[in-house]
Amino acid sequence: EIVLTQSPGTLSLSPGERATLSCRASQSVSSSYLTWYQQKPGQAPSLLIYGASRRATGIPDRFSGSGSGTDFTLTISRLEPEDFAVYHCQQYGGSPSFTFGQGTKLEIK
Amino acid sequence: QVQLQESGPGLVKPSETLSLTCNVSGGSVSSGSYYWSWIRQPPGKGLEWIGNIYYSVNTNYNPSLKSRLTISVDTSKNQFSLKLSSVTAADTAVYYCARLNVGNIFWRFDYWGQGSLVTVSS
Repeated sequence: EIVLTQSPGTLSLSPGERATLSCRASQSVSSSYLTWYQQKPGQAPSLLIYGASRRATGIPDRFSGSGSGTDFTLTISRLEPEDFAVYHCQQYGGSPSFTFGQGTKLEIK
Repeated sequence: QVQLQESGPGLVKPSETLSLTCNVSGGSVSSGSYYWSWIRQPPGKGLEWIGNIYYSVNTNYNPSLKSRLTISVDTSKNQFSLKLSSVTAADTAVYYCARLNVGNIFWRFDYWGQGSLVTVSS
C-alpha cells in the first residue's frame, strides 16, 4: 500500500499570503492518479486538483498543483478567507488501492 | 448536476451490520465511465477508501475491510448500498458516497454526498 504523508499538519497564514502544501508518497505515484481535495468544517471533501496539476471545474487559478513521482505540491498563490480549510491528497495505486494523506489544516494566523 | 445522498441508521450496535444507501440523481449508476464509491472519515481523522462498484457487478474493496464488506447496486432505483458486518467502535465515522470518474485517464472522486455519521455503540 502506498502511504501519503502530508506536511505540515497545520499551516497558519494570513489572507493574501502564499500557501505551499506538500504530499509525499512512499512509492512513486502516477501523476494521472494524484488528486487534491478541499474540506471545509462540517462538509464533504470537494475536488480541487486532479492529474496532479489540473484544476477542477470552477476552481480559481490561484490554486495550482505540481510534482511527480513521490513529491507533490499544492500551492495557493494568494489566500482568500474562504481558502482556510483542510486539504487532502489522494492517490490510486492500482486495483484495488486508493489512499489518502492525513490532511493539512490551513488556518488563519 | 449530479447529486448523491446517503441514508441509513445513525446508530448501530457492536457486532451488528451497518447498512447505508446512496441515492444518485442527475446521473446513472449504470454509466460506464464511473465507479460508485464509499469513503469514511472517523471523527477528527483522515479519509479512508472503503470500496467501489462498477457496472453494477464489479467490486473493489479495501483489503482491510474486505471480509466484512458488501457493496451492491440497485439500477431500478439508481442507488448503491454498503453493508459492513460485525462492526466495532472503530467503525464509527462519517460515511460518504462518491462518484469516481475514470474518464480521460485521470481518476478522481468528483462528486460526493454530504456524509452520514454512523456511531457504533450499545
